[in-house]
Amino acid sequence: AQKVTQAQTEISVVEKEDVTLDCVYETRDTTYYLFWYKQPPSGELVFLIRRNSFDEQNEISGRYSWNFQKSTSSFNFTITASQVVDSAVYFCALALYNFNKFYFGSGTKLNVKP
Amino acid sequence: GAVVSQHPSRVICKSGTSVKIECRSLDFQATTMFWYRQFPKQSLMLMATSNEGSKATYEQGVEKDKFLINHASLTLSTLTVTSAHPEDSSFYICSAAGAEYQETQYFGPGTRLLVL
Repeated sequence: AQKVTQAQTEISVVEKEDVTLDCVYETRDTTYYLFWYKQPPSGELVFLIRRNSFDEQNEISGRYSWNFQKSTSSFNFTITASQVVDSAVYFCALALYNFNKFYFGSGTKLNVKP
Repeated sequence: GAVVSQHPSRVICKSGTSVKIECRSLDFQATTMFWYRQFPKQSLMLMATSNEGSKATYEQGVEKDKFLINHASLTLSTLTVTSAHPEDSSFYICSAAGAEYQETQYFGPGTRLLVL
């Protein structure tokens, strides 16, 4: 069975602080995909990144970076120099090779205070 | 690219009426569309998966006769909440995936349903 765990329910930081959102996944499949989505108060989910299980290279996109470690089944997301606009709920998700279902974590609410 | 729209964005209806929510992929052909339900401060719960021209596959515990899903074309799927009751009030989100945007689901903006 597949499972995604986001242990941090809510995180509050002050603007310009760095923050890391944790994501731990479980699957026995060797081919899978990992995702991060952002859900601002408006409700729409915004796609941030996709990673496949064969690509453990970390990725950086502006202030965002992702650390994928198969050894610990983790796919953590770091925001550097956080901004108020980063305030949102962030979801980590897992999809298998056939891509017919996403398994979402419970989400982490990030509050960035000015 | 990869834009998904939903209509309406908000709907308020009386108990016992039916409500239809549309999900459209605007710039790609969506071979598969997904319908989710999200309760306040909770994660997304997959309700059903629909492939164009086929019957939807419902998740365990989701009533097929209550939540009718139609995926009539490669750009449109509809979710009809039949005989809605207050407990059906929720945030409904669709997503779409297609050959052009493989391996990623793109989400619509969601529809907030309030049943009085």
